[in-house]
Amino acid sequence: EIVLTQSPGTLSLSPGERATLSCRASQSVSSSYLAWYQQKPGQAPRLLIYGASSRATGIPDRFSGSGSGTDFTLTISRLEPEDFAVYYCQQYGSSPAWTFGQGTKVEIK
Amino acid sequence: EVQLVESGGGLVQPGGSLRLSCAASGFTVSSNYMSWVRQAPGKGLEWVSVIYSGGSTYYADSVKGRFTISRHNSKNTLYLQMNSLRAEDTAVYYCARVGKYSSGWYNYAFDIWGQGTMVTVSS
Repeated sequence: EIVLTQSPGTLSLSPGERATLSCRASQSVSSSYLAWYQQKPGQAPRLLIYGASSRATGIPDRFSGSGSGTDFTLTISRLEPEDFAVYYCQQYGSSPAWTFGQGTKVEIK
Repeated sequence: EVQLVESGGGLVQPGGSLRLSCAASGFTVSSNYMSWVRQAPGKGLEWVSVIYSGGSTYYADSVKGRFTISRHNSKNTLYLQMNSLRAEDTAVYYCARVGKYSSGWYNYAFDIWGQGTMVTVSS
C-alpha cells in the first residue's frame, strides 16, 4: 500500500500570502491519479486538483498543483479568507485502492 | 443539478448492522464508478469501497467481509450494507463519484461528494 505523507501538519499564514503544501509518496505514484481536496469544518471534501495539475470545475486559478513520482505540491498563490481549511492529497493505485494523506491544516496567523 | 444525498446513519450497538443509502441526481449511478469514503471524528479520510460501472466491487481490508456495496439502477441509488459493526467503524460516511477526464477515461479522483451521514457504533 502506498502511504502519502503531507507536510507541514499545520501552516500558519496571513491572507494574501503564498501557501505551499507538500505530499510525499512512499513509492512512485502515477501523476494521472494524484488529487488534492479542500475540506472545511462540517463540510464534505471538495475536489481542487486532479491528475496532479488539472484544476477541477469552478476552482480559482490561485490553486495550482505540480509534481511527479513521489513528490507533489499544492500551491495557493494568494490566500483568500475562504482558503483557510484542511487540505488532503489522494492517490489511486492497484488493488484497486485509494489512499489519502493525513492532511495539512492552513490556519490564519 | 448533480448531487448525492446520503441517509441511513445512526447509533448502533457493536455487532449490529446498518444500511446506508446514497441517492444520486443529475447523473446515472450505474454508468459511473461510485465509492464510499469515511472520516472518523477528528481524523482524516479513509476509502472504504467502490463499485465499478460493470458491477465489480472492491473493499478496504478494514471492512472486507463485513461491508457490501451495491446499487439499485432504477432508483439511481448506491448502498452500503454494514454488518458486524465495531467501535472503530464510527465515522461520517460519504458517497462519492469517481471523476473522468474529458477523454472519458477515469481520473480516479472523487469529483462529487454527498454531505455525509454519521454512523456511531457504541453500546
